[in-house]
Amino acid sequence: GDSVTQMEGPVTLSEEAFLTINCTYTATGYPSLFWYVQYPGEGLQLLLKATKADDKGSNKGFEATYRKETTSFHLEKGSVQVSDSAVYFCALTFEGGSAGGTSYGKLTFGQGTILTVHP
Amino acid sequence: GAVVSQHPSRVICKSGTSVKIECRSLDFQATTMFWYRQFPKQSLMLMATSNEGSKATYEQGVEKDKFLINHASLTLSTLTVTSAHPEDSSFYICSASYGHLGYNEQFFGPGTRLTVL
Repeated sequence: GDSVTQMEGPVTLSEEAFLTINCTYTATGYPSLFWYVQYPGEGLQLLLKATKADDKGSNKGFEATYRKETTSFHLEKGSVQVSDSAVYFCALTFEGGSAGGTSYGKLTFGQGTILTVHP
Repeated sequence: GAVVSQHPSRVICKSGTSVKIECRSLDFQATTMFWYRQFPKQSLMLMATSNEGSKATYEQGVEKDKFLINHASLTLSTLTVTSAHPEDSSFYICSASYGHLGYNEQFFGPGTRLTVL
C-alpha cells in the first residue's frame, strides 16, 4: 500500500538556522504531495502542496519540490523563526482516482516531525 | 474562513461508558467529513469517511459498532465511542471538505483527547 516516511524528530534549531525535514513516499501511481503544519493547540493546516513531478510548493518561506526520481518531497526553510515551532506532517493523496490503497480524497500521512526553534 | 471545531477538546471517562465527539464546520457546508485517530508520536490514521446523509465508510480494521459515525447535516458530524476501554484512549481528529470533483482540501479540527480510565 501507499506510505509516507518522514525523518525522525524531534528537530531542535536556533532561530535563523536552515531547516530540512525529509519526506519520502511509496505509492502506485502519481500522487499529489502535501505538507501540513500543526501549531500547539490547533488543527492541522495545509502549508504547501505539489501535484506533479518537479512542481515546487511554497508558502511562508517554506519550500518543497516534488522529486519523482527519488520519490521525495523534502521541506526546507532558509531561516526559521521561533513561531515556526510546530509539528510538520508530510502527506499524499490521489486526485480523481485511486491507487495502492489510498483512494480518492483520502490522505496518507507520515508520522510527523516535531520542530522546536529556540531564540 | 474554513474553520472546523471539535467538542469537547478533552474528555475523561470510565471504562464501559460511551463518549460522543462533535465536529462542526463553522463557515462552510461540508460534503465530506473524515475522522482520524492519532497515537502518541505516530501518524494520523484515517478511521472513516462520511458524506452527509449517507452511511460512513470505515477503513479496514476499524470496528463500525465501536465507533459510530453520524453525519446528520452539512455542518455536523459526530463520532461516538461506545463502551469505551482504556485502549480507546487516543487523540481523535476530524476534518471537513466541500465539493465533489477531484481532491478537495481538508480543513482540520483541533482534535479531542480521550482518556478512558
